[in-house]
Amino acid sequence: KAGVTQTPRYLIKTRGQQVTLSCSPISGHRSVSWYQQTPGQGLQFLFEYFSETQRNKGNFPGRFSGRQFSNSRSEMNVSTLELGDSALYLCASSEGGFPYEQYFGPGTRLTVT
Amino acid sequence: TQLLEQSPQFLSIQEGENLTVYCNSSSVFSSLQWYRQEPGEGPVLLVTVVTGGEVKKLKRLTFQFGDARKDSSLHITAAQPGDTGLYLCAGAGRSSASKIIFGSGTRLSIRP
Repeated sequence: KAGVTQTPRYLIKTRGQQVTLSCSPISGHRSVSWYQQTPGQGLQFLFEYFSETQRNKGNFPGRFSGRQFSNSRSEMNVSTLELGDSALYLCASSEGGFPYEQYFGPGTRLTVT
Repeated sequence: TQLLEQSPQFLSIQEGENLTVYCNSSSVFSSLQWYRQEPGEGPVLLVTVVTGGEVKKLKRLTFQFGDARKDSSLHITAAQPGDTGLYLCAGAGRSSASKIIFGSGTRLSIRP
Protein backbone atom coordinates (compact mmCIF):
# COMPACT_ATOMS: atom_id res chain seq x y z
CA LYS A 1 0.00 0.00 0.00
CA ALA A 2 1.14 3.53 -0.65
CA GLY A 3 1.95 5.58 2.43
CA VAL A 4 0.57 8.89 3.59
CA THR A 5 1.34 11.75 1.25
CA GLN A 6 1.35 15.43 2.09
CA THR A 7 1.59 18.37 -0.24
CA PRO A 8 3.33 20.68 -0.47
CA ARG A 9 6.48 19.61 1.41
CA TYR A 10 7.71 23.15 1.89
CA LEU A 11 5.89 26.46 1.94
CA ILE A 12 6.91 30.05 2.63
CA LYS A 13 4.15 32.54 3.35
CA THR A 14 3.90 36.09 4.58
CA ARG A 15 2.20 37.11 7.81
CA GLY A 16 -1.52 37.73 7.22
CA GLN A 17 -1.83 35.33 4.30
CA GLN A 18 -3.70 32.05 4.41
CA VAL A 19 -2.51 28.56 3.52
CA THR A 20 -4.06 25.20 2.65
CA LEU A 21 -2.25 21.93 3.26
CA SER A 22 -3.30 18.60 1.79
CA CYS A 23 -3.07 15.03 3.04
CA SER A 24 -3.89 11.74 1.31
CA PRO A 25 -4.21 8.88 3.81
CA ILE A 26 -3.40 5.22 3.35
CA SER A 27 -6.03 3.52 1.21
CA GLY A 28 -8.83 2.19 3.41
CA HIS A 29 -8.04 4.43 6.37
CA ARG A 30 -10.97 6.60 7.42
CA SER A 31 -9.28 8.70 10.09
CA VAL A 32 -6.95 11.62 9.44
CA SER A 33 -5.38 13.62 12.25
CA TRP A 34 -3.34 16.80 11.99
CA TYR A 35 -0.51 17.85 14.27
CA GLN A 36 1.70 20.90 14.61
CA GLN A 37 5.29 20.25 15.63
CA THR A 38 7.67 22.93 16.85
CA PRO A 39 10.97 22.60 18.72
CA GLY A 40 9.56 24.32 21.79
CA GLN A 41 6.09 22.75 22.03
CA GLY A 42 6.64 19.30 20.61
CA LEU A 43 3.78 17.53 18.83
CA GLN A 44 0.50 19.39 19.32
CA PHE A 45 -2.82 17.85 18.24
CA LEU A 46 -4.91 20.05 15.95
CA PHE A 47 -7.91 17.92 14.99
CA GLU A 48 -9.07 14.53 13.78
CA TYR A 49 -11.51 13.74 11.03
CA PHE A 50 -13.28 10.40 10.71
CA SER A 51 -15.59 9.66 7.80
CA GLU A 52 -15.84 13.37 6.92
CA THR A 53 -16.76 14.43 10.48
CA GLN A 54 -14.52 16.20 12.96
CA ARG A 55 -14.24 13.73 15.84
CA ASN A 56 -11.72 15.51 18.06
CA LYS A 57 -10.27 18.98 18.31
CA GLY A 58 -7.18 20.37 20.03
CA ASN A 59 -6.71 23.73 21.67
CA PHE A 60 -5.95 25.88 18.67
CA PRO A 61 -7.63 29.14 17.62
CA GLY A 62 -10.38 29.20 15.02
CA ARG A 63 -7.86 30.32 12.39
CA PHE A 64 -7.01 26.63 12.09
CA SER A 65 -9.65 24.61 10.31
CA GLY A 66 -9.90 21.40 8.38
CA ARG A 67 -12.11 19.16 6.39
CA GLN A 68 -12.23 15.66 5.03
CA PHE A 69 -13.60 14.56 1.71
CA SER A 70 -15.56 11.43 0.85
CA ASN A 71 -12.37 9.74 -0.42
CA SER A 72 -10.80 10.37 3.04
CA ARG A 73 -8.37 12.96 1.71
CA SER A 74 -8.08 15.87 4.09
CA GLU A 75 -7.11 19.51 3.98
CA MET A 76 -6.23 21.92 6.72
CA ASN A 77 -6.40 25.67 6.38
CA VAL A 78 -4.72 28.37 8.40
CA SER A 79 -5.99 31.89 7.91
CA THR A 80 -4.35 35.18 8.88
CA LEU A 81 -0.95 33.58 9.35
CA GLU A 82 1.22 34.63 12.28
CA LEU A 83 4.97 34.23 12.72
CA GLY A 84 4.28 31.66 15.44
CA ASP A 85 2.53 29.40 12.95
CA SER A 86 5.90 28.46 11.48
CA ALA A 87 6.15 24.73 12.13
CA LEU A 88 6.17 21.24 10.68
CA TYR A 89 2.56 20.20 10.04
CA LEU A 90 2.05 16.46 10.16
CA CYS A 91 -0.85 14.42 8.95
CA ALA A 92 -1.51 10.97 10.42
CA SER A 93 -3.68 8.28 8.91
CA SER A 94 -5.34 5.43 10.82
CA GLU A 95 -8.19 2.96 10.57
CA GLY A 96 -9.85 4.97 13.32
CA GLY A 97 -10.38 2.25 15.89
CA PHE A 98 -8.48 0.15 18.44
CA PRO A 99 -5.46 -0.08 18.74
CA TYR A 100 -5.29 3.44 17.28
CA GLU A 101 -2.05 3.06 15.37
CA GLN A 102 -1.19 6.14 13.34
CA TYR A 103 0.90 6.37 10.19
CA PHE A 104 2.43 9.75 9.53
CA GLY A 105 3.17 11.56 6.34
CA PRO A 106 6.49 13.37 5.77
CA GLY A 107 5.00 16.69 6.84
CA THR A 108 4.73 20.16 5.38
CA ARG A 109 7.32 22.64 6.60
CA LEU A 110 5.61 26.04 6.80
CA THR A 111 7.67 29.16 7.26
CA VAL A 112 5.87 32.45 7.92
CA THR A 113 7.89 35.61 7.34
CA THR B 1 -5.94 16.33 31.53
CA GLN B 2 -4.04 13.26 30.40
CA LEU B 3 -0.27 13.69 30.24
CA LEU B 4 2.53 11.45 29.09
CA GLU B 5 5.93 12.27 30.50
CA GLN B 6 9.03 10.96 28.80
CA SER B 7 12.46 10.74 30.35
CA PRO B 8 15.14 11.54 29.77
CA GLN B 9 14.52 14.45 27.39
CA PHE B 10 18.00 14.14 25.90
CA LEU B 11 20.45 11.27 25.83
CA SER B 12 23.86 11.10 24.20
CA ILE B 13 25.75 7.84 24.52
CA GLN B 14 28.58 5.95 22.87
CA GLU B 15 27.95 3.31 20.22
CA GLY B 16 27.62 -0.12 21.81
CA GLU B 17 26.11 1.07 25.10
CA ASN B 18 22.65 0.14 26.35
CA LEU B 19 19.91 2.62 27.24
CA THR B 20 16.35 2.82 28.50
CA VAL B 21 13.74 5.48 27.77
CA TYR B 22 10.65 5.85 29.94
CA CYS B 23 7.10 6.98 29.26
CA ASN B 24 4.91 7.59 32.34
CA SER B 25 1.38 8.71 33.03
CA SER B 26 -1.21 8.69 35.79
CA SER B 27 -3.83 7.65 33.22
CA VAL B 28 -4.66 4.18 31.93
CA PHE B 29 -4.31 3.64 28.21
CA SER B 30 -5.95 1.01 26.04
CA SER B 31 -2.91 0.96 23.78
CA LEU B 32 0.46 2.63 23.58
CA GLN B 33 2.65 3.25 20.58
CA TRP B 34 6.33 4.08 20.17
CA TYR B 35 7.54 6.13 17.21
CA ARG B 36 10.95 7.23 15.95
CA GLN B 37 11.32 10.49 14.05
CA GLU B 38 14.28 11.73 12.07
CA PRO B 39 14.84 15.44 11.34
CA GLY B 40 12.44 16.89 8.76
CA GLU B 41 10.43 13.68 8.48
CA GLY B 42 7.25 12.31 10.04
CA PRO B 43 7.33 9.87 12.97
CA VAL B 44 7.54 6.19 12.02
CA LEU B 45 5.55 3.64 14.03
CA LEU B 46 7.84 1.13 15.75
CA VAL B 47 5.48 -0.90 17.92
CA THR B 48 2.07 -1.05 19.59
CA VAL B 49 1.46 -2.64 23.00
CA VAL B 50 -2.02 -3.30 24.31
CA THR B 51 -1.81 -5.79 27.21
CA GLY B 52 -0.52 -4.92 30.69
CA GLY B 53 2.92 -6.46 31.20
CA GLU B 54 3.35 -7.10 27.48
CA VAL B 55 6.91 -7.23 26.13
CA LYS B 56 7.71 -6.86 22.43
CA LYS B 57 11.10 -7.10 20.75
CA LEU B 58 12.16 -5.47 17.51
CA LYS B 59 15.76 -6.57 16.81
CA ARG B 60 17.81 -4.71 19.48
CA LEU B 61 14.79 -2.76 20.79
CA THR B 62 12.65 -4.12 23.63
CA PHE B 63 9.36 -2.47 24.52
CA GLN B 64 7.40 -3.10 27.70
CA PHE B 65 3.92 -2.00 28.73
CA GLY B 66 3.41 -1.54 32.47
CA ASP B 67 1.16 -3.98 34.31
CA ALA B 68 -1.36 -1.20 35.02
CA ARG B 69 -1.12 0.12 31.44
CA LYS B 70 -0.02 3.54 32.68
CA ASP B 71 3.63 3.44 31.66
CA SER B 72 6.02 1.95 29.15
CA SER B 73 9.73 1.61 28.53
CA LEU B 74 11.97 1.24 25.52
CA HIS B 75 15.30 -0.49 25.97
CA ILE B 76 17.97 -0.44 23.27
CA THR B 77 20.82 -2.94 23.43
CA ALA B 78 24.18 -2.15 21.86
CA ALA B 79 23.07 1.19 20.42
CA GLN B 80 24.18 2.08 16.91
CA PRO B 81 24.42 5.48 15.15
CA GLY B 82 21.34 4.50 13.11
CA ASP B 83 19.30 4.55 16.32
CA THR B 84 19.75 8.31 16.53
CA GLY B 85 16.47 10.21 16.45
CA LEU B 86 13.52 11.52 18.43
CA TYR B 87 11.59 8.76 20.21
CA LEU B 88 7.94 9.48 20.95
CA CYS B 89 5.42 7.48 22.93
CA ALA B 90 1.68 7.92 22.38
CA GLY B 91 -1.22 6.62 24.43
CA ALA B 92 -4.80 6.05 23.34
CA GLY B 93 -7.86 6.09 25.58
CA ARG B 94 -10.61 3.51 25.71
CA SER B 95 -12.92 4.91 23.07
CA SER B 96 -12.47 6.11 19.54
CA ALA B 97 -13.62 9.51 20.71
CA SER B 98 -10.59 9.86 22.98
CA LYS B 99 -7.65 11.91 21.84
CA ILE B 100 -4.30 10.25 21.36
CA ILE B 101 -1.79 11.75 23.76
CA PHE B 102 1.86 12.15 22.74
CA GLY B 103 4.80 12.40 25.08
CA SER B 104 7.26 15.26 24.69
CA GLY B 105 9.89 12.94 23.26
CA THR B 106 13.40 11.71 23.99
CA ARG B 107 16.11 12.97 21.68
CA LEU B 108 18.71 10.24 21.35
CA SER B 109 22.18 10.71 19.89
CA ILE B 110 24.56 7.79 19.42
CA ARG B 111 28.20 8.75 19.02
CA PRO B 112 30.33 6.48 16.78
